Amino acid sequence: DAKTTQPTSMDCAEGRAANLPCNHSTISGNEYVYWYRQIHSQGPQYIIHGLKNNETNEMASLIITEDRKSSTLILPHATLRDTAVYYCIVRGGTAGTYKYIFGTGTRLKVLA
Amino acid sequence: DAGVTQSPTHLIKTRGQQVTLRCSPKSGHDTVSWYQQALGQGPQFIFQYYEEEERQRGNFPDRFSGHQFPNYSSELNVNALLLGDSALYLCASSGGRRSSYNSPLHFGNGTRLTVT
Repeated sequence: DAKTTQPTSMDCAEGRAANLPCNHSTISGNEYVYWYRQIHSQGPQYIIHGLKNNETNEMASLIITEDRKSSTLILPHATLRDTAVYYCIVRGGTAGTYKYIFGTGTRLKVLA
Repeated sequence: DAGVTQSPTHLIKTRGQQVTLRCSPKSGHDTVSWYQQALGQGPQFIFQYYEEEERQRGNFPDRFSGHQFPNYSSELNVNALLLGDSALYLCASSGGRRSSYNSPLHFGNGTRLTVT
């Protein structure tokens, strides 16, 4: 079973920030949070990951709560091309254990 | 720098047949994982190959088998195809000397298998 829960769907107006929540209340101390997105019929695209500090890259920001039981992916200025299914994944372990357990993700629709 | 490449992109097979899907990992990666994604669902882990051996396996029957070659590329074989095997099959690569254990997986765009 997936270790994360996400809302099934969300809408966001173009140009506004999209805030996608994820609950991972059973996360362990050495487990990272990863975010991917999948545009129809393509493979999942890596966005960002973090352990406990907030992270930012050219695509998005990741805010992880202090207790690490939840996180939020922020797309600062959503565009129509950001319409996709967004997956939040928790993975930990040692080198070589790269298995991801996906949930059903959040379907984000960016509206013009 | 080529990412993960998979072939073929689409495939149609008949029940009972066998199929082989291929994957070339991202340059510098030495570990390959395979995932099955049914329509409307998230990807499900099938197995992972490292150093030409199967290292981890998900909840899939023995009809699903794989191989990794010395150049790190990989094949996924499915025997005795069932209608329920129709899905998008994704390959992901990782690892290599520049990676750490938290390095993200890189996915290909998958092979769409239809079983009729």
